[in-house]
Amino acid sequence: KAGVTQTPRYLIKTRGQQVTLSCSPISGHRSVSWYQQTPGQGLQFLFEYFSETQRNKGNFPGRFSGRQFSNSRSEMNVSTLELGDSALYLCASSWDRQGGSTEAFFGQGTRLTVV
Amino acid sequence: GDSVTQMEGPVTLSEEAFLTINCTYTATGYPSLFWYVQYPGEGLQLLLKATKADDKGSNKGFEATYRKETTSFHLEKGSVQVSDSAVYFCALSHTGTASKLTFGTGTRLQVTL
Repeated sequence: KAGVTQTPRYLIKTRGQQVTLSCSPISGHRSVSWYQQTPGQGLQFLFEYFSETQRNKGNFPGRFSGRQFSNSRSEMNVSTLELGDSALYLCASSWDRQGGSTEAFFGQGTRLTVV
Repeated sequence: GDSVTQMEGPVTLSEEAFLTINCTYTATGYPSLFWYVQYPGEGLQLLLKATKADDKGSNKGFEATYRKETTSFHLEKGSVQVSDSAVYFCALSHTGTASKLTFGTGTRLQVTL
């Protein structure tokens, strides 16, 4: 069974540009979450999508947005990039079983560098 | 709000030493608790989990017990190997929001020969 796939693995962008990152979840998983990992702030939850709807959102500015498609693939977009957006962006998918927690499976991440 | 506190790293041990990484949490209700491991240049891998009080999660020689009375989920291993060198994250989530994880700051483990 294929794992969570994130593309691209590495990205360099210029301040002020926008960027789109992609995540393909494990087959059958309908929930996709995004996290930002930085040395200073650690791992922070960005948002979660379930069946094409944003179900949870973390404390990030509106420049960070996402969406989920009918095949559960997800994209996140960051507009007007700032130097502080440089981070490892991790995607996680899970099979969200009603009434019980399940574990999340993570992709290898996209390393975004803003210059 | 929810929070997870982990012991500061880095932790440096000799091979075959005993490992303990402390983790305590603050949360309402009865969260599920997890340990994730991150190897250099990689994403996170689930190491073990526990979903209710007194549950013990175990995997690859690592163990952690969900202690509700002390709100703790300490990670232990009896004999570490060089290949265990990585960053370890303690995390929690609530039922129905399994994908919204709250992480600790991570503890780097370095195992030497």
